[in-house]
Amino acid sequence: EDQVTQSPEALRLQEGESSSLNCSYTVSGLRGLFWYRQDPGKGPEFLFTLYSAGEEKEKERLKATLTKKESFLHITAPKPEDSATYLCAVLNYGQNFVFGPGTRLSVLP
Amino acid sequence: EAGVAQSPRYKIIEKRQSVAFWCNPISGHATLYWYQQILGQGPKLLIQFQNNGVVDDSQLPKDRFSAERLKGVDSTLKIQPAKLEDSAVYLCASSLVSAGVSNQPQHFGDGTRLSIL
Repeated sequence: EDQVTQSPEALRLQEGESSSLNCSYTVSGLRGLFWYRQDPGKGPEFLFTLYSAGEEKEKERLKATLTKKESFLHITAPKPEDSATYLCAVLNYGQNFVFGPGTRLSVLP
Repeated sequence: EAGVAQSPRYKIIEKRQSVAFWCNPISGHATLYWYQQILGQGPKLLIQFQNNGVVDDSQLPKDRFSAERLKGVDSTLKIQPAKLEDSAVYLCASSLVSAGVSNQPQHFGDGTRLSIL
């Protein structure tokens, strides 16, 4: 059975303190790995898609990377507005999306 | 571009009652998904439609949950009868084509928060 785990469960950072979130997966066949941001009371907002090991994508202070077993979301010099839950999801060859439980990020001013 | 619309935003019912949620996807999006998100967990797929047809409903509790997508646009998800464990946020998402075709990301609505008393 395909599985996605994320760590840490929660992370508190000071403004400007860079860090990384981890998404580990086991999947029968990976078609893509997706990162989403979810604010309280809102639906997930799409950030990135990664397709193959070694691939990297960047958007503002966020950079996502992918290996054969995990993905990292690096946050450089975060700001309070980056506070949210970050979800990763894998799409397998059965056309099924499997989401991880998310990492709750709090960035303190 | 208008996003995915869902209603109602909140619903409170007693167990054993029935409830229905409505979703209007982004215009032109052929694929529609319903997810259940329990507090503190990631979304869990309930059902996926491609136009009018069901692509995957393997995790839909069919004894109490039903969903339809008439005319390949709007969709409704119904629960009858509701149980306490159905308390969750029900998210609708859509994508341009099937993810299985082109790895399209999903665009989510803000969900319906369901509380069962």
